[in-house]
Amino acid sequence: DSGVTQTPKHLITATGQRVTLRCSPRSGDLSVYWYQQSLDQGLQFLIQYYNGEERAKGNILERFSAQQFPDLHSELNLSSLELGDSALYFCASSGRQPNTYGYTFGSGTRLTVV
Amino acid sequence: GIQVEQSPPDLILQEGANSTLRCNFSDSVNNLQWFHQNPWGQLINLFYIPSGTKQNGRLSATTVATERYSLLYISSSQTTDSGVYFCAVGAGGATNKLIFGTGTLLAVQP
Repeated sequence: DSGVTQTPKHLITATGQRVTLRCSPRSGDLSVYWYQQSLDQGLQFLIQYYNGEERAKGNILERFSAQQFPDLHSELNLSSLELGDSALYFCASSGRQPNTYGYTFGSGTRLTVV
Repeated sequence: GIQVEQSPPDLILQEGANSTLRCNFSDSVNNLQWFHQNPWGQLINLFYIPSGTKQNGRLSATTVATERYSLLYISSSQTTDSGVYFCAVGAGGATNKLIFGTGTLLAVQP
C-alpha cells in the first residue's frame, strides 16, 4: 500500500456521461497531482493542487475539472465523456518538499468509455 | 519544457541476465524518480535519485546530474521484473510536477 488511495479502481461508462474519480493523498502530503495514461500519449500531467489551491495545469481538457477539499482529498471530474478518454488515471501526492521517497502514486482508476 | 528520453525502448532478457536502462534529460532537475509499472498497471516507486547512487536489493540506480543522465541497473533478472520502467524528472519551481519519459518495456523470459 503506497498510502495514496484512489477509488474506484475500475469504471465503465457510456459516451456523454460524467464521472468522478477520488484520491486521498498520503498522510501529511499537501500536494496532489493527477496524471492520465493512455496508449498513444503516455503519462501526461493534468493538474496539481496544493493545500486546496490549484497550482498548475497541464494538458487538461476543458471537459475535465478537479478540486482539493479541506481534508486534502481530491476529486477529478470528467464530463461529456468520449471514447478517447478511456485511460488509466493516476493520482500522486507529495509533501512540501520532495522527501527521500519523492512522489507517491496511487494504484490508478481504469476508465473505459463505451 | 524538459525533455526526457529513455533507452532502449524494448528489452528482452533471459532470467538471470543483467541489464542497464538509461534516462537522458534536457535540463537541470531537482527530482528524478524511477518507477516500475507492473502488468496490472500499478506504478511502483523504485528510487528517488536526483543525484548519486542508491541500491535496493538487485536494483541500483545512478544519476549524474551534471551530465543529465540516470541509469537503472537490474541484476539477476526475474520474470517478476517484467513490465515498463519509467524515468520521471521534476525541475522544481512552483509546481514541481513530474515529467515522464516514454519508458522501457522489459520482458524477462524463464
